[in-house]
Amino acid sequence: DAGVIQSPRHEVTEMGQEVTLRCKPISGHDYLFWYRQTMMRGLELLIYFNNNVPIDDSGMPEDRFSAKMPNASFSTLKIQPSEPRDSAVYFCASSLAGRAKPYEQYFGPGTRLTVT
Amino acid sequence: DAKTTQPTSMDCAEGRAANLPCNHSTISGNEYVYWYRQIHSQGPQYIIHGLKNNETNEMASLIITEDRKSSTLILPHATLRDTAVYYCIVRVARYNLFFGTGTRLTVIP
Repeated sequence: DAGVIQSPRHEVTEMGQEVTLRCKPISGHDYLFWYRQTMMRGLELLIYFNNNVPIDDSGMPEDRFSAKMPNASFSTLKIQPSEPRDSAVYFCASSLAGRAKPYEQYFGPGTRLTVT
Repeated sequence: DAKTTQPTSMDCAEGRAANLPCNHSTISGNEYVYWYRQIHSQGPQYIIHGLKNNETNEMASLIITEDRKSSTLILPHATLRDTAVYYCIVRVARYNLFFGTGTRLTVIP
C-alpha cells in the first residue's frame, strides 16, 4: 500500500486566499484524522471522520476551516479566507476500527502551508 | 485523562539499545500506552502499543511495569535513522492523540 497521500506537499499563498488541502487515506481504513502542527502548539487534532462522517470537529479553530470526506478514499481541508496564523504543517492520518485500532494511526507526509 | 512525563532528550550510541522511559502514574485500568516517533520533516510514525503485557514488534519492544505507572520503549540496536522525537501517549477520549513534547533521541555514530 502507498500509505496516506497528501497534496500539495507545500503551499504558499497570500492572506485572504482560499486554500484546499487534500488527503487520500489508506485503502480499507475506517477513520480519517486531520492534525495541525506548529512550534508553539505542537500537534493538534482538528477533526476526524468515521466511515466518511464527521464525528468530532471541536478542534477546528474557526469557521474559516471546513473539512469534507465525500467518499472513503478522499478528504479535503479548506481554509477560507486564509490568515498568516494558519501557517503550519497539516497532517492527515487514517486508521482501522477496533478496540485500540483508532489510536494506531498512520500519518501522511504533511502539507507545509505558508500564508504571507 | 492520564498524562505522561518523558525526559526532554537522550543520546544513544549507534548499535546499542536505546531505552526511552515514560511515566504515566495516573493511567486508568483500560487505557493503552502508545508510542510514536517523528523523524525530522516527516509525519508521526506509529511504533507500538500495549495495555498490561510487554509487547514486541519488528521496530521495538514495550515494557510496562506491573503497576502500569511507567513504561519503557526499547530500540534494540539503534541506528542513525532512529534519531527522532519519541512520544509516549496514553489514549485520550474521542481518538485524540495528545502528543506532548516527547523525548528527542539522538543516535551518535
